[in-house]
Amino acid sequence: GAGVSQSPSNKVTEKGKDVELRCDPISGHTALYWYRQSLGQGLEFLIYFQGNSAPDKSGLPSDRFSAERTGGSVSTLTIQRTQQEDSAVYLCASSPNPRGLGNTIYFGEGSWLTVV
Amino acid sequence: EDKVVQSPLSLVVHEGDTVTLNCSYEVTNFRSLLWYKQEKKAPTFLFMLTSSGIEKKSGRLSSILDKKELFSILNITATQTGDSAVYLCAVSPNNNDMRFGAGTRLTVKP
Repeated sequence: GAGVSQSPSNKVTEKGKDVELRCDPISGHTALYWYRQSLGQGLEFLIYFQGNSAPDKSGLPSDRFSAERTGGSVSTLTIQRTQQEDSAVYLCASSPNPRGLGNTIYFGEGSWLTVV
Repeated sequence: EDKVVQSPLSLVVHEGDTVTLNCSYEVTNFRSLLWYKQEKKAPTFLFMLTSSGIEKKSGRLSSILDKKELFSILNITATQTGDSAVYLCAVSPNNNDMRFGAGTRLTVKP
């Protein structure tokens, strides 16, 4: 596609439910990132995928968070047993370059998650 | 611990004013510094800076990096209401992910 595509754009869920957020990166981009931005906060790194390498999961805040990237393209971020503090905008980004080599990355529009 | 500090946190100006946004950083290793503009949800890329003293310019926006003093500034001249946004600074250490500052919220009043 022309840009990074994320879905859903908005999600309201009840506390304790699981949610899945989807990211479709720009075609051909090998690097894919997930970030979280809570209200009034900066971007918080969650996870990084590069090609077929093992992902860098160092930013995931708890074991309720997981992500996968199938076939080196589409990625899904899953949050289990959601809590109110999980409410945030979840941003996906992709880059044609591996991390550390010219880091222009392209962001999707984000998925706004509200846990009630 | 790597950190990126932006100032001011918020700024209100009138159309036509010139603004300077600041970003200071402390990272173990440094490869590049990036500026983004965030209007609604998704940040859009503005500049990537890797070398000290070389100004990057795009229209009314310009940015420069000082690797000795560990900071960058983003200048916007003749501000317009469409410049209202959160401006994010990010630093990319080697072999590590980008670290973002909390952003500067700029409001330009007509």
